Amino acid sequence: SQQGEEDPQALSIQEGENATMNCSYKTSINNLQWYRQNSGRGLVHLILIRSNEREKHSGRLRVTLDTSKKSSSLLITASRAADTASYFCATDSTDSWGKLQFGAGTQVVVTP
Amino acid sequence: EAQVTQNPRYLITVTGKKLTVTCSQNMNHEYMSWYRQDPGLGLRQIYYSMNVEVTDKGDVPEGYKVSRKEKRNFPLILESPSPNQTSLYFCASINSGTGVPDTQYFGPGTRLTVL
Repeated sequence: SQQGEEDPQALSIQEGENATMNCSYKTSINNLQWYRQNSGRGLVHLILIRSNEREKHSGRLRVTLDTSKKSSSLLITASRAADTASYFCATDSTDSWGKLQFGAGTQVVVTP
Repeated sequence: EAQVTQNPRYLITVTGKKLTVTCSQNMNHEYMSWYRQDPGLGLRQIYYSMNVEVTDKGDVPEGYKVSRKEKRNFPLILESPSPNQTSLYFCASINSGTGVPDTQYFGPGTRLTVL
């Protein structure tokens, strides 16, 4: 069964707008990671946030984690056409070290 | 450059013809694993290995075998491929030396089609 579930499933925005996607999970985690995938290609690691962290930034990316609600959000600010991709959250649970549980992803389309 | 490599990147084969997908990492990581990605299902773990000669099943191990004779290599073996194994496969590795799970590094993927 899927651990992480992203919301929305699809998102269409204009260049310059912000994109926000959410991830919910079910069990206790060591960390939560966000990945990007362009059209069935490889996975690009974006950011890792540990269970004792609440917020993390990397360039135009901002990730929050609320372990009490078992949820995370990824914000992409000032989006660009090159941000068009599928975004996945993946959790590393405390009861299965190293195994990442992925959601089905959010497909983001940024139009110029 | 730290990386995980997979070969082949693309493979079309026929039902029942044994194949091996190789995976190699140059980061001296103990933990390696294989995932498959299918539309609408995200990635699911097939097998993992905590270290040399230590392997175990993930969530979808049926129809697959693995081996870990060397730290850097973790091949995925399909003894008798079937069409339901048509998928995009990813190898990954993680540094487990600190005891704290860290970033997983993924290979570029192998797109397998079984006719």
